[in-house]
Amino acid sequence: GNSVTQMEGPVTLSEEAFLTINCTYTATGYPSLFWYVQYPGEGLQLLLKATKADDKGSNKGFEATYRKETTSFHLEKGSVQVSDSAVYFCALIGGSNYKLTFGKGTLLTVNP
Amino acid sequence: NAGVTQTPKFQVLKTGQSMTLQCAQDMNHNSMYWYRQDPGMGLRLIYYSASEGTTDKGEVPNGYNVSRLNKREFSLRLESAAPSQTSVYFCASREDRVGEQFFGPGTRLTVL
Repeated sequence: GNSVTQMEGPVTLSEEAFLTINCTYTATGYPSLFWYVQYPGEGLQLLLKATKADDKGSNKGFEATYRKETTSFHLEKGSVQVSDSAVYFCALIGGSNYKLTFGKGTLLTVNP
Repeated sequence: NAGVTQTPKFQVLKTGQSMTLQCAQDMNHNSMYWYRQDPGMGLRLIYYSASEGTTDKGEVPNGYNVSRLNKREFSLRLESAAPSQTSVYFCASREDRVGEQFFGPGTRLTVL
């Protein structure tokens, strides 16, 4: 079946630091890949997505590239802000059931 | 558009009590989902409805029932609540097979 593995948190950074959150996946066929973000006390919202190999998703300064050869979709941001503090979930849709499969989430805390 | 709405926001139950969590979306989406979120476990799918009139089990359906009342509404019922059902519950909807999935703000449920 499908699965997503993302780096365990928590991750604590200072403002303006570089962020990488690793995500790898197992899926049959050609899944679509997503990063969702959950701010404190809220539901999840889509941050970015990529639907085919070598696609780069980007939004709000965050980027992730769909790497089929390494089955990865790592999230990066060049300069984080305090307002980026949240839980980040990597997810995929693949196979015939079209259900989202989530990683366990990574808590990011950015200190001023 | 209100997006995905959930009621109630908070609920405390005693073991053995029953309750229904309500979810509605105003985006005319076909598919709707119920998840639970527990620390360290990410989001786990309880039930989903691919279209009006259909429902299917997800990863953790035991102890829950659902009703897709119409295209807008998808409710989750706990017939006899147990402390293991203490969690945050999220409803979500999606228009098509690989599109963005929209989440409600969540219901925080405590079972004593």
